[in-house]
Amino acid sequence: KAGVTQTPRYLIKTRGQQVTLSCSPISGHRSVSWYQQTPGQGLQFLFEYFSETQRNKGNFPGRFSGRQFSNSRSEMNVSTLELGDSALYLCASSLVGARTLGETGELFFGEGSRLTVL
Amino acid sequence: GESVGLHLPTLSVQEGDNSIINCAYSNSASDYFIWYKQESGKGPQFIIDIRSNMDKRQGQRVTVLLNKTVKHLSLQIAATQPGDSAVYFCAETAHRGDKFYFGSGTKLNVKP
Repeated sequence: KAGVTQTPRYLIKTRGQQVTLSCSPISGHRSVSWYQQTPGQGLQFLFEYFSETQRNKGNFPGRFSGRQFSNSRSEMNVSTLELGDSALYLCASSLVGARTLGETGELFFGEGSRLTVL
Repeated sequence: GESVGLHLPTLSVQEGDNSIINCAYSNSASDYFIWYKQESGKGPQFIIDIRSNMDKRQGQRVTVLLNKTVKHLSLQIAATQPGDSAVYFCAETAHRGDKFYFGSGTKLNVKP
């Protein structure tokens, strides 16, 4: 079964531009999470979507946004890019559905989209 | 919010030795923990998980220990191999998997 697919794998932007990253989860997974990974801050949670609804959001400014489509594919957008936005953006999908007691699920990560802001 | 951290940022071991990677967490409500391995240029890969109703779980060459009293998690790798060289992250969640917090990572170097 295909894993989590992220596109593009690498991209370079300049300050002030905006970027859209795409994530296709594992078939059947309805939860998609996004993480930002930098050497200084490690893996930081951006947001999580389930059934087209944002369920959780991390502590990132409003320039970071996302959405999920009916086929569970997700996109995240960063507007007005800053140098500090340079990072590896990781998408993870999970089988976690409704918050049923005892229903936990591991995250399956994609290879990430490496964004460089110049 | 929750914080998850690691005691050792870098660990060097000899091939064949056992490795122990430690992790501390701060949220006593966390009920599910995962160890991930991340090789250079790749996304994190699941190694092993444990729920808060357990204190030990074993996989192939790996064992995770959970001490809820002191909010400590450890990953033990037996007979460490060069292919184990990677960065290891612990992750915890108190919301049944919809929001994970990750530690800062420990880099494991396996010397041949």
